[in-house]
Amino acid sequence: SAVISQKPSRDICQRGTSLTIQCQVDSQVTMMFWYRQQPGQSLTLIATANQGSEATYESGFVIDKFPISRPNLTFSTLTVSNMSPEDSSIYLCSVEEDPGNTIYFGEGSWLTVV
Amino acid sequence: KQEVTQIPAALSVPEGENLVLNCSFTDSAIYNLQWFRQDPGKGLTSLLLIQSSQREQTSGRLNASLDKSSGRSTLYIAASQPGDSATYLCAVGGGGSNYKLTFGKGTLLTVNP
Repeated sequence: SAVISQKPSRDICQRGTSLTIQCQVDSQVTMMFWYRQQPGQSLTLIATANQGSEATYESGFVIDKFPISRPNLTFSTLTVSNMSPEDSSIYLCSVEEDPGNTIYFGEGSWLTVV
Repeated sequence: KQEVTQIPAALSVPEGENLVLNCSFTDSAIYNLQWFRQDPGKGLTSLLLIQSSQREQTSGRLNASLDKSSGRSTLYIAASQPGDSATYLCAVGGGGSNYKLTFGKGTLLTVNP
C-alpha cells in the first residue's frame, strides 16, 4: 500500500494569510485527491490533482481559494488562500494507485485559523 | 447526487460483543464501497474495499457486505475490543470515469473494557 506523508501536520494561522500543504507519496500513483474535514463533519472532496494540468474542482471549491499543484506522480500541494476561521479544518491528501482500487489517506493537516 | 447515510451515529458496547454498523447510499451505480477507520487526531485507515461485483469482504474480525441493488452495506465486527474504539466511515466510489468517494458522517464506536 502507498505511504503518504503530509506537511505540516498542524498549524495555527492568522486570518488573511495563506498556507501550503504538501503531500508526498512513496510510489507513483495515478490519482491524487484533496479532501476537507470540517469539525464534526465527514470528508468532502475539494479537487482531483491532475499531473501536468489544472486540478478538477468540485462544486463549491474554486482555484483562487484552493490552488493545487501536481508536478509529478508522487507529489502535490494544496494552498488555502486568504484564510478565515471557517477554513479551520483537517485537510487530507489521498491517493488511488489504480482506478477503482483502494484509496489511501495521509495523516491529515490540522489547520486552525485565528 | 450520491448521498451516504450511516446508522447509528454513535454506539457504545461492552468488550467482547459482536456488532454491526450500517451504511446506505442513494445511487446504486457505484464502482466500489470502502470502509475506513479514523482515530482521534489521525487520518483514515482503509479497512475493507468491496468492488461492485462482490458481495462481501473479510479481514480478520471484520466482515463487510454489500447489497448494491438495495443500496446497503454492513460492517460486522466480531468479538469487539477496546482498541476497536474509533470512528468508522463508509465511502462509496462513483461510476463512469469519476472514481471519487462520497463519505458518510461515520459511526463513533466506543468499546468499554
